[in-house]
Amino acid sequence: IAGITQAPTSQILAAGRRMTLRCTQDMRHNAMYWYRQDLGLGLRLIHYSNTAGTTGKGEVPDGYSVSRANTDDFPLTLASAVPSQTSVYFCASSDDEGSGEQFFGPGTRLTVL
Amino acid sequence: GQNIDQPTEMTATEGAIVQINCTYQTSGFNGLFWYQQHAGEAPTFLSYNVLDGLEEKGRFSSFLSRSKGYSYLLLKELQMKDSASYLCAVKDSNYQLIWGAGTKLIIKP
Repeated sequence: IAGITQAPTSQILAAGRRMTLRCTQDMRHNAMYWYRQDLGLGLRLIHYSNTAGTTGKGEVPDGYSVSRANTDDFPLTLASAVPSQTSVYFCASSDDEGSGEQFFGPGTRLTVL
Repeated sequence: GQNIDQPTEMTATEGAIVQINCTYQTSGFNGLFWYQQHAGEAPTFLSYNVLDGLEEKGRFSSFLSRSKGYSYLLLKELQMKDSASYLCAVKDSNYQLIWGAGTKLIIKP
């Protein structure tokens, strides 16, 4: 693995189903983030984690949950998907030094029908 | 509330220069970032400003005025591959990034 990966690349999901989006980084970054990106809107933060074992709520956390059992993995779970959760989801990570720029995974395109 | 404003779309000619503006109102300021995002791809980091002034990096430069809540990204010698969206983001007092909606830049030959 080089950098940050996400799975699946895309998914079509029936409303009411449970879904987990996976994110893994190999850069040993402490901080990780989940964003959603919708047309005409900026990236919106769903949840974040400043270090393994801790998580926090972002701007749009409702309907989503996360866990951070270790440094590398940061899965995002939709407990019961709704059509308004149709979006492109990006996972990102950053380290604590310098500018703290965020590195993004390739994204997951999720459609909830 | 927190707000980042940037133009929705701009058009420029190959070989020319374009300036993309970003104004912000945020709770605190801990730096401003510019990212490039090609259609269907992830954002990639371009520049970071935390002090007033101009940061130059090859064909790209970024300027910041904290007193005016203003930044711009300057792209010189435009190439077709520069066709992309350019995202402005500010790190607020909680050290979280607040993102603008992005400026779609269209380059014409």
